[in-house]
Amino acid sequence: KAGVTQTPRYLIKTRGQQVTLSCSPISGHRSVSWYQQTPGQGLQFLFEYFSETQRNKGNFPGRFSGRQFSNSRSEMNVSTLELGDSALYLCASSLVVTSTDTQYFGPGTRLTVL
Amino acid sequence: DAKTTQPPSMDCAEGRAANLPCNHSTISGNEYVYWYRQIHSQGPQYIIHGLKNNETNEMASLIITEDRKSSTLILPHATLRDTAVYYCIVNPLGSGGYQKVTFGTGTKLQVIP
Repeated sequence: KAGVTQTPRYLIKTRGQQVTLSCSPISGHRSVSWYQQTPGQGLQFLFEYFSETQRNKGNFPGRFSGRQFSNSRSEMNVSTLELGDSALYLCASSLVVTSTDTQYFGPGTRLTVL
Repeated sequence: DAKTTQPPSMDCAEGRAANLPCNHSTISGNEYVYWYRQIHSQGPQYIIHGLKNNETNEMASLIITEDRKSSTLILPHATLRDTAVYYCIVNPLGSGGYQKVTFGTGTKLQVIP
């Protein structure tokens, strides 16, 4: 079974631009979560989608948004990019049939904002 | 929500057991303990989880103290490929993602030849 895939793997943008990142979960997984990872802050939860609905949201500004499609694929968007948005953005999927919520992470998208 | 405390770094000789501690003194009764690891520039990889009993799988063993306030991840025979950052987190059952969990900076395990 294929793992979580994320595209693109690397991205360079300039301040003020916007960016869209894509995540394809493991087949059959219905929950997709997004995380931001920076050296100083570690890995922080952005939001989680389940059945096309945002179910949980972390403490990030409204410039960070996302959505999930009927096939469970998800996208996240960051508008008006700032230098501090440079980070590794990780997507994780889970089956959400059992209660243990084991998540499987993708390789991430490395975003650099210049 | 429970927070975890881990040592920032540890060394382990190749072939020896690596014992990684984690303190989660404020854990609630419905929270599982999860361990993940992250090899440089890759996404975190699930290792093992448990509630109150010791658990073992093909990758590692998880020992949870009786009061559930701490746990230890054991890699029985560490190899160079086990060099990674190891994260211990706690999460409520059925919560839908680790929305209230910060993975933090984990323990950087260096396996030495």
